[in-house]
Amino acid sequence: DAGVTQSPTHLIKTRGQQVTLRCSPKSGHDTVSWYQQALGQGPQFIFQYYEEEERQRGNFPDRFSGHQFPNYSSELNVNALLLGDSALYLCASSTTGAHEKLFFGSGTQLSVL
Amino acid sequence: AQSVTQPDIHITVSEGASLELRCNYSYGATPYLFWYVQSPGQGLQLLLKYFSGDTLVQGIKGFEAEFKRSQSSFNLRKPSVHWSDAAEYFCAGRVGGGYQKVTFGTGTKLQVIP
Repeated sequence: DAGVTQSPTHLIKTRGQQVTLRCSPKSGHDTVSWYQQALGQGPQFIFQYYEEEERQRGNFPDRFSGHQFPNYSSELNVNALLLGDSALYLCASSTTGAHEKLFFGSGTQLSVL
Repeated sequence: AQSVTQPDIHITVSEGASLELRCNYSYGATPYLFWYVQSPGQGLQLLLKYFSGDTLVQGIKGFEAEFKRSQSSFNLRKPSVHWSDAAEYFCAGRVGGGYQKVTFGTGTKLQVIP
């Protein structure tokens, strides 16, 4: 049973560019959450997708957008990259419900030069 | 604001010694609480969770945590630390279910010395 898979594992971009990160949830999971983890910090919630809609959003600008596909996989898009967007981007999957917990992928390390 | 706080940024313990990592929460209602561990460059692995009921919860790798409502705390403990426990530990919480987001603390980095 594959867990949460993310691609790519590493990415280098320059300021102003756009990037797309991908996530496949754990089998049986229908909800995907994205987190940004800056160096030395805890993960910060970006947004959550369920039934192909954004259900919750953290305190991130509109440059951060996402999508969920019918097979529950998800993409995170970041436009007009800034140096401060350099971070580990983590995808977590779960099922909806009060007692469900997050399963995390290994993340995509994004470096913006 | 709903949050979890980890007051210790870095902790060093000797191998074989006991460990306690602190976590305090601030939520309007009884939260669901979690402890995760992260090795360098990796994602987060769930150690244990508290939803309700017994306030002492057991997790993987010999870890346990105790929910104390009176102190708004959910501290992680291990009686004897192994060198492989060196990692960063995150406390996290949320209220409700469904679409409620999980909020993470800033983490405690554990160093284990021989």
